[in-house]
Amino acid sequence: DIQLTQSPSFLSASVGDRVAITCRASQGISTYLAWYQQKPGKAPKLLVYVASTLQSGVPSRFSGSGSGTEFTLTISGLQPEDFATYYCQHFLSYPITFGQGTRLESK
Amino acid sequence: EVQMVESGGDLVPPGGSLRLSCAASGFTVSNYFMAWVRQAPGKGLEWVSILYTSGYTYYSDSVRGRFTVSRDNSKNTLFLQMNNVRADDTAVYYCARAAGTDYGAYFDSWGQGTLVTVSS
Repeated sequence: DIQLTQSPSFLSASVGDRVAITCRASQGISTYLAWYQQKPGKAPKLLVYVASTLQSGVPSRFSGSGSGTEFTLTISGLQPEDFATYYCQHFLSYPITFGQGTRLESK
Repeated sequence: EVQMVESGGDLVPPGGSLRLSCAASGFTVSNYFMAWVRQAPGKGLEWVSILYTSGYTYYSDSVRGRFTVSRDNSKNTLFLQMNNVRADDTAVYYCARAAGTDYGAYFDSWGQGTLVTVSS
């Protein structure tokens, strides 16, 4: 199975900051990677797919990059509604797996 | 508007059975890949199963042989039949619409989830 490791697991930041979350795959996955945002008590929401394609309706301050084994989700200009937990997920092959999550909290 | 509403979550004893439903609106279930993803209390996301438009299915190792995914096209509903449940099946179960390839998928819309608790 392909393992995804996110770093950091916990991130403290302020409104207006630029933050980056990294997702590393245990083997190359080309660009078969998606990013999700989840708020407490809510379902996850797709942000980015195929590593860098922004899902419709997602603000442009979110961006994704990377290929192979290293990927980054960047939020440029944090907004209050962005404090949440973020997950990466690969879809190269089954079984699909998710990263362990990065919790982004307000400093 | 795309919407999915899960139901059927309940308290069930170890070894018992449960069927989850996911009623979809705003799109046709049979025209999309459809999946179940779960989240144990306080934990991360875990993919459970997927049903392709062709009818082909995949399961995670942890549920294969115990869970079965299916759909009723006339009701535009996805199901997850859970048999021989275990304590580690305790989770919120999300229904998700999926997109991708024959070998993997990502999830572009999600239901609100239904809680399954396995306990005696």
